[in-house]
Parts: sequence; structure tokens; C-alpha cells
Amino acid sequence: AQSVTQPDIHITVSEGASLELRCNYSYGATPYLFWYVQSPGQGLQLLLKYFSGDTLVQGIKGFEAEFKRSQSSFNLRKPSVHWSDAAEYFCAALMNQAGTALIFGKGTTLSVSS
Amino acid sequence: EPEVTQTPSHQVTQMGQEVILRCVPISNHLYFYWYRQILGQKVEFLVSFYNNEISEKSEIFDDQFSVERPDGSNFTLKIRSTKLEDSAMYFCASSTGVRETQYFGPGTRLLVL
Repeated sequence: AQSVTQPDIHITVSEGASLELRCNYSYGATPYLFWYVQSPGQGLQLLLKYFSGDTLVQGIKGFEAEFKRSQSSFNLRKPSVHWSDAAEYFCAALMNQAGTALIFGKGTTLSVSS
Repeated sequence: EPEVTQTPSHQVTQMGQEVILRCVPISNHLYFYWYRQILGQKVEFLVSFYNNEISEKSEIFDDQFSVERPDGSNFTLKIRSTKLEDSAMYFCASSTGVRETQYFGPGTRLLVL
């Protein structure tokens, strides 16, 4: 079945430390992949996306993600976390050729400690 | 930067009542979507809408749900007779094309009592 998995429910990182949030997908081909962030009381803001081409994509707020076909993964990274990065992060995928439905992971809550 | 807007931000209703959730998509976007997120669960796709027709819908989107674009700017989700399990955050989204980035609104938190 088509699915997106975020193995980590909650991660705590010290301010200034690096961050990696994991995302795996299950699909027979390469989906379109997205990372969204949701701050408390806010909607889902797009951080970055991968459609094709360069497997390392840059996004807003200093985030990047790397698509690895061999691992069916699209992990999100940031070299130095800021306190304002504390939020919930969602990985999502568009899987079907003509489909419009984004399939979301369960999300990872990021806490930043000082 | 253009944004998707949603009203109301919060709505409380009694079980069995009808509710209408409203969205104003980004003005040059052609595809419109509704998703929901039950507390503690994944964001789930409900329906997509293009050219005044439903493009795709999930199993969740049963006869109790309907969508409409009543004018050139609004996109609505109607729940005909609400159930307790309809309590969730409902997100509207829009995109320029069928496999383009979907931009989300801030959501409407619906509580059914």
C-alpha cells in the first residue's frame, strides 16, 4: 500500500545543533515529495519539494532534503537549529500519476532546548 | 505573498447540525482541496476539485460531505449532519495544476458536541 512513514514522533535538539528528520515512502515509482511545517495555530507551510533532477533540494529557513531512491527516503536536514524551528514537521507525497491526493506521514514534533 | 484563507478559525456545533466551512484559495489557482486532521492522527485527504467538478475523493468523503465553488473566489465544504467523529482540523489547499505544490490555509478547527 502507498504510504509515508515518519519514524520519529518527537525529537529534541539543542539550539545550534544539527537536525535530521526522517521520512520514508512506500510506492512502486518515484513520487513527488514535500516537507511542510506547522507551527502552533498556523497552517501547513511548504518548506521544500522534490519532483525530479538534483536529489539535494534547498528550501526556506535554511532547510534542505535529500532524496535517496535506493532507501525510499527523503530526509530533512538543517545544520544549525534555531529556537523558532520548534514545530511539527510533515513529510508528504503525491504518488499516483494522475492523482491529486497528498499522502502525509504522521508528523514529527521538534522541540528545541537552550 | 498570496495566501489561502479559511473561515471560521474555530466552530463548535451540535451533533446532527449542518456546517459549512469556507475557504478562499489563491486567486490564480485552479485546483482546490480539502484535508482533515483528527487530533493526534495524520492529515488525510478528503477531496479535490477542478473545473467545478470533483476530481478525486477519498473513502472518508461520503454522502454527508459536499463541496462547492459558489462564486469566483470561495470554495466551501459542507457537512450535512455532523457526527462526533467529524471533530477535526479541516485544511483547505489550492494549486495551479494537478501535480503542483499545494498551498494550505490555516485550518478550521471543528468541534462536534
